Amino acid sequence: AQSVAQPEDQVNVAEGNPLTVKCTYSVSGNPYLFWYVQYPNRGLQFLLKYITGDNLVKGSYGFEAEFNKSQTSFHLKKPSALVSDSALYFCAVRDEGRDDKIIFGKGTRLHILP
Amino acid sequence: DVKVTQSSRYLVKRTGEKVFLECVQDMDHENMFWYRQDPGLGLRLIYFSYDVKMKEKGDIPEGYSVSREKKERFSLILESASTNQTSMYLCASSLGGVLNTEAFFGQGTRLTVV
Repeated sequence: AQSVAQPEDQVNVAEGNPLTVKCTYSVSGNPYLFWYVQYPNRGLQFLLKYITGDNLVKGSYGFEAEFNKSQTSFHLKKPSALVSDSALYFCAVRDEGRDDKIIFGKGTRLHILP
Repeated sequence: DVKVTQSSRYLVKRTGEKVFLECVQDMDHENMFWYRQDPGLGLRLIYFSYDVKMKEKGDIPEGYSVSREKKERFSLILESASTNQTSMYLCASSLGGVLNTEAFFGQGTRLTVV
């Protein structure tokens, strides 16, 4: 079965510094990978996805993520963090070779310090 | 704009009650999902439906059932609510087949069972 791991419960970054939120995955076929963000008392908002093609994908709010097949990773990055980026971030995976289920990680809380 | 609507933002129910959580999407999506979100556990898939009247168990189906009589509506049913089902419940939908991509989420229903 597919699975996704987010090894950090919380990440603290100073405003203006680059940020990285880590994600690794496990699937039997080709992965479809996603990042979502959740602000307090809100549903999940889609940020970006990797389906195929270029390993570096760009998404909303200046975020990007790099697909690394050999390391089975899909880390979320941003060159310069904003205080407003503080939120809960979820990585998710779908296994192309199986059904349409999308499985989520446990989430990483990102704190951007002013 | 894509829209997934959950019927209630907040619900309080008594132990033993039968509880219905309703979700409607207006995007003609084949797939619909019910997740529960708990601190430290992330999003866990309860049930998944890939077509009308079709359903598959997710990772934590015990104590829940679902109904999908129409393509746009996916209901989650707690047959006899218990306090350990107090949680945030999130509904989502996505396209199916080769076009399957990201899931779109509703705002969530915070259920408290007393």
